[in-house]
Amino acid sequence: GAGVSQSPRYKVAKRGQDVALRCDPISGHVSLFWYQQALGQGPEFLTYFQNEAQLDKSGLPSDRFFAERPEGSVSTLKIQRTQQEDSAVYLCASSDRAGKGDEQFFGPGTRLTVL
Amino acid sequence: AQSVTQLDSHVSVSEGTPVLLRCNYSSSYSPSLFWYVQHPNKGLQLLLKYTSAATLVKGINGFEAEFKKSETSFHLTKPSAHMSDAAEYFCVVSEWAAGNKLTFGGGTRVLVKP
Repeated sequence: GAGVSQSPRYKVAKRGQDVALRCDPISGHVSLFWYQQALGQGPEFLTYFQNEAQLDKSGLPSDRFFAERPEGSVSTLKIQRTQQEDSAVYLCASSDRAGKGDEQFFGPGTRLTVL
Repeated sequence: AQSVTQLDSHVSVSEGTPVLLRCNYSSSYSPSLFWYVQHPNKGLQLLLKYTSAATLVKGINGFEAEFKKSETSFHLTKPSAHMSDAAEYFCVVSEWAAGNKLTFGGGTRVLVKP
């Protein structure tokens, strides 16, 4: 079956531009996570949705970052006024429940480069 | 708060020899522990997970890991490395009380020599 998909796969933005990154989770998955992976590092948590509710946004680095999941399926991560330090791979993951130790299935990521 | 330390940033092994990737974790509650693998230009793939059942966990592709609470460790091993094992490996911890968000270690890059 289809896995988690993300678009675009690559995005180049000029500093100061706004960008929107899309995540299509596995159909029916309740939980959706966004992570940021800087070059040469492990992914870091950004935010978490259970259905349409954003339950944790403690990892968002600044108020320029905003995420939504209005109908409990597709999610969009928006970055306003991009800065060079925003350059990273943005990963989306979903899981079918919210139980202890549930596996998260990852998408291929969107590589954002800010010039 | 939860955290993970991967003790080696790079590991080099010869094909057919054992692989050991070391991981120590810190967690306030009863954690779940995972190992993920990331091949170049591919997504993260789950190798195995521990969620408070058997302490020796077997995963895909011949990998296994042992949860040792007294040592707060979750080392990953494989008896015989294959060329296809060359990749980046991440040790990961999550706490259900923290919403299951994953905390990743810094990663270990594995090089397999023929």
